[in-house]
Amino acid sequence: QVQLEQSGTEMQRPGSSVKVSCKVSGGTFSIAAINWVRQAPGQGLEWMGGIIPLYGTTNYAQKFQGRVTITADAATSTVYMEVSSLTSEDTAVYYCARGAGSMIIDIFFRHWGQGTLVTVSS
Amino acid sequence: DIQLTQSPSTLSASVGDRVTITCRASESLSSWLAWYQQKPGNAPKLLIYKASDLESGVPSRFSGSESGTEFTLTISSLQPDDFATYYCQQYKSSSTFGQGTKVEVK
Repeated sequence: QVQLEQSGTEMQRPGSSVKVSCKVSGGTFSIAAINWVRQAPGQGLEWMGGIIPLYGTTNYAQKFQGRVTITADAATSTVYMEVSSLTSEDTAVYYCARGAGSMIIDIFFRHWGQGTLVTVSS
Repeated sequence: DIQLTQSPSTLSASVGDRVTITCRASESLSSWLAWYQQKPGNAPKLLIYKASDLESGVPSRFSGSESGTEFTLTISSLQPDDFATYYCQQYKSSSTFGQGTKVEVK
């Protein structure tokens, strides 16, 4: 069965960057999109962007374009999401989620990682 | 960007109640809408996709429907395990989530 294992809790200073990983096991890594969704404390879900690992094709929410970079390493079946220029408003749990079906980023999510808490504080 | 307006934001209900949550889209989604359940400290869980298709393993008391740009998630008889927060998601163009509906004990 498909499993997504995310990297651990991060604490970062304002202005710095953070890179969160998501290792995928089961299924075919390269053809299913991996998306990132974040959730600020007590708030709702916010889609950030996604990638199709086979081609490196990405799609970002307009809000995050230029500040978020999503990459994939097929050799290790791992997707990375980096957020730069962090502020306190980036404090959130970050989830990776695997799209159902193949070769499409705009899709619903059947499998989710456990979440990674990123805290931005001076 | 496609906007989703979910209502109500909070719903108080009792076990056995029929519960309805609404999600209105700013434009046609051609049925490209999903529903998720999230409990505190956990990742969301897929319930419904393509507006009305029930995800495998999800109890049949959950159902989804569509009328134009209005989508509905119905729980036919609320069970103790169903107290949670529910989100709609459009995936017609990129992705957007509704603001969420918390179903709490009345």
